[in-house]
Amino acid sequence: DVKVTQSSRYLVKRTGEKVFLECVQDMDHENMFWYRQDPGLGLRLIYFSYDVKMKEKGDIPEGYSVSREKKERFSLILESASTNQTSMYLCASSLRLAGLETQYFGPGTRLLVL
Amino acid sequence: TQLLEQSPQFLSIQEGENLTVYCNSSSVFSSLQWYRQEPGEGPVLLVTVVTGGEVKKLKRLTFQFGDARKDSSLHITAAQPGDTGLYLCGTAGGTSYGKLTFGQGTILTVHP
Repeated sequence: DVKVTQSSRYLVKRTGEKVFLECVQDMDHENMFWYRQDPGLGLRLIYFSYDVKMKEKGDIPEGYSVSREKKERFSLILESASTNQTSMYLCASSLRLAGLETQYFGPGTRLLVL
Repeated sequence: TQLLEQSPQFLSIQEGENLTVYCNSSSVFSSLQWYRQEPGEGPVLLVTVVTGGEVKKLKRLTFQFGDARKDSSLHITAAQPGDTGLYLCGTAGGTSYGKLTFGQGTILTVHP
């Protein structure tokens, strides 16, 4: 079974703090994704990566950065957390094969920025 | 980015009732996926539909893909409390690198 793990289930941070969210997958997937999930807005893509050290902006990249130094690990960084970044953050991974875009999700990190 | 509209946004029903959730787009889907997200967990894939007119069954869940590949539906027969969750449709829409676009989801609550 594919396993995607996220470093924390719950996180409370203060405005202006630097926040790191870590995601690790164990199935040698090329693609990895970071989403935020807010009520009524579904899943919105922040950033994704299709290979080590490669990254692409998603639909809402402002205020975020990412790092992919190893294939299995994809980090999301909030350089200076703000209250409007309070959300559920979901990481996912998938194979890079057309027609096989199934994404495997981690359990999510619920971030509260005070 | 292809836009997906899901309806209804909320559904609250009694155990044993039937229900249908819809996913629509103004553009043709290359393929469409349905995910279920249980409270406190990440979404999990239920099914992928690819061919126009396709019907797939997963126990009490029936998935249909419209002939024109612009819409899809998920029908649940005799809903159970264990079906409670958020149902999401998603499509690759011809994007590269496995990127998916998701609808806003349907929150289903099945009361015992």
